Amino acid sequence: QQKVQQSPESLSVPEGGMASLNCTSSDRNFQYFWWYRQHSGEGPKALMSIFSDGDKKEGRFTAHLNKASLHVSLHIRDSQPSDSALYFCAVSDPTRGGRALIFGTGTTVSVSP
Amino acid sequence: EAAVTQSPRNKVTVTGGNVTLSCRQTNSHNYMYWYRQDTGHGLRLIHYSYGAGNLQIGDVPDGYKATRTTQEDFFLLLELASPSQTSLYFCASSDWGHTLYFGAGTRLSVL
Repeated sequence: QQKVQQSPESLSVPEGGMASLNCTSSDRNFQYFWWYRQHSGEGPKALMSIFSDGDKKEGRFTAHLNKASLHVSLHIRDSQPSDSALYFCAVSDPTRGGRALIFGTGTTVSVSP
Repeated sequence: EAAVTQSPRNKVTVTGGNVTLSCRQTNSHNYMYWYRQDTGHGLRLIHYSYGAGNLQIGDVPDGYKATRTTQEDFFLLLELASPSQTSLYFCASSDWGHTLYFGAGTRLSVL
């Protein structure tokens, strides 16, 4: 069973629009969440982390965490073609000292001009 | 920006062949990781290490060995490669702040 579930699998957004991605953990021990972004032909790069309930904003990106439901979302405001990428949600694995990350299956975002 | 270099970038081998994937980081990070990426599975942890000579088992270790020879270098070994190991492999490193820095990946095909 996938420990980190992401939805939707893919998403199309017009340039300037809002993209919303979802992620849920299946284990209450997984409480520290990360978002990574991977452009085609590259390795994933950390976008942002969120460890506390509520919102965290970094530029056009806002993450929202609800620890009670183990749900985190990522919202991309004013989407740009350069935001077209594969987005991964990840959680710190407490059984490994929180060092290794468990990744979801990803959401592909396509931003059309 | 943290630097993680993987080699080779592409590799083709036959079933039963031996393959070594190399990773070097110049960030003075203690932790290094090997992941594989497959459509429908995301990134899955194979092995990781918290220092030279140390090796920890990940979630999908079967068929893989790894060795951390120095703080900078981490190798992934496939001694009897199988077609199921055809995948995109990523190495990453991290410091005490938990952020993982990934290399550009090695695409491996086992025929």
